[in-house]
Amino acid sequence: NAGVTQTPKFRVLKTGQSMTLLCAQDMNHEYMYWYRQDPGMGLRLIHYSVGEGTTAKGEVPDGYNVSRLKKQNFLLGLESAAPSQTSVYFCASSYGRQSYGYTFGSGTRLTVV
Amino acid sequence: EDQVTQSPEALRLQEGESSSLNCSYTVSGLRGLFWYRQDPGKGPEFLFTLYSAGEEKEKERLKATLTKKESFLHITAPKPEDSATYLCAVQAPLSLNNDMRFGAGTRLTVKP
Repeated sequence: NAGVTQTPKFRVLKTGQSMTLLCAQDMNHEYMYWYRQDPGMGLRLIHYSVGEGTTAKGEVPDGYNVSRLKKQNFLLGLESAAPSQTSVYFCASSYGRQSYGYTFGSGTRLTVV
Repeated sequence: EDQVTQSPEALRLQEGESSSLNCSYTVSGLRGLFWYRQDPGKGPEFLFTLYSAGEEKEKERLKATLTKKESFLHITAPKPEDSATYLCAVQAPLSLNNDMRFGAGTRLTVKP
C-alpha cells in the first residue's frame, strides 16, 4: 500500500532555477492538493485539483504552477525559484466533497539558496 | 476568514501525565474538524473527524471532543511514542474543493 508518494525527498536549488515536484497516489482519489509547511505556520494550500485535467489556485499560488494530466499524478512546478520558497512541500489526496481526512505524502524539503 | 489557533505551541509531559491540547476555531459554519498526528520528517497522519458539538471520538490514549468554538485532544496516561506534533484543521460548508484550514500545531514531548 504505497498511498501518496512524493519525489524527490530533498532538493537544493539556486535562486532562479526551476524544478518539478512529483506526487503520485494509488488510491483512485479524485482530489489532490499541494501544501507548504513553514515553521510556526499551519499548512497552507498552494494549488489543488478536483479531477484529471483540472487545477485551481489555493491560498498561496504565486510562483508555482501545477498540472494533472493523469488522475494519479499531480505535479508542482517552480519556474524561477526564490529563497522565500524554501519550505517543506506536502502533497495530499482525498475522496470527493465528503468530509474525509486527507492522505499525505512524506514531503519534499526544498532549500533555495 | 476562517481561523484555527492551537495551544499550547509546545507541551512537555512525563510518561503517564495526562493533559489536553486545545484547538480554537472561527468558521462560517463547520462541516468538519480534523485532528492529525505528524512525526518528524513525515507527513500528517489522519486521526479523527468531528462533525457537531458534543461529539467525541477515541483512539487508544487519545480522545477528541468538540464544542461550538473549540476542540480538545485529551491524552490519557501518555507514552513516549505519543510524542509528535498534533495538527487541527477545519472545513467550512462552502469549501467545494474540500479544502481544510490548518492550525500551526502543538508539539508534544513525552519523557519516560
